[in-house]
Amino acid sequence: EVQLLESGGALVQPGGSLRLSCAASGFTFSGYAMSWVRQAPGKGLEWVSGITSDGRTSYADSVKGRFTISRDNSKNTVYLQMNSLRAEDTAVYYCAKCITGWQNQNWGQGTLVTVSS
Amino acid sequence: QSALTQPRSVSGSPGQSVTISCTGTSSDVGGYNYVSWYQQHPGKAPKLMIYDVNKRPSGVPDRFSGSKSGNTASLTISGLQAEDEADYYCCSYAGSYTFEVFGGGTKLTVL
Repeated sequence: EVQLLESGGALVQPGGSLRLSCAASGFTFSGYAMSWVRQAPGKGLEWVSGITSDGRTSYADSVKGRFTISRDNSKNTVYLQMNSLRAEDTAVYYCAKCITGWQNQNWGQGTLVTVSS
Repeated sequence: QSALTQPRSVSGSPGQSVTISCTGTSSDVGGYNYVSWYQQHPGKAPKLMIYDVNKRPSGVPDRFSGSKSGNTASLTISGLQAEDEADYYCCSYAGSYTFEVFGGGTKLTVL
């Protein structure tokens, strides 16, 4: 059974940094692209970033230059380093395993990031 | 404002069929066959219902079907059941600069 477990969400001040982690199990992690999708409170879904199985990265314009996605295949974990955080980054962040392209077949339960002073 | 346009709400009675539209442009929905649909119940993570326009992941009932015509994709749910009541989001690949764009979501109410 595919399992994705996010962690690292917290309350952080504007301008601060945070690193999210997503521990994967139940599939051959190194063979799949992974992505992060976020959902602001009461709002819709927004694709944030993705990383292919061979490490190529992609970012939404809203986070480009501030967020960095990476993966450690030895730990079956994908990360999202978030710098220069803004109030509009407040959201539940979901980690997802991609089926084709950036279409997300399996999702974690999400981790809440709150950016506020 | 979301990149893809969905109706804010749709409704239907048990056993009926409903269709949710998702309108984009030739740069996203119309340009690629990478349209997906997600179901989200309150407080839960999204669930993939349709990918590659019209493919169903294992475990998704065949009551759910997807299609595309030009710049508009559609999700049809036939034989509505109470548990289908949820928010539904469409999503499309939009090229190697924008990547993925979502619709604003549609709330399905089963009357």
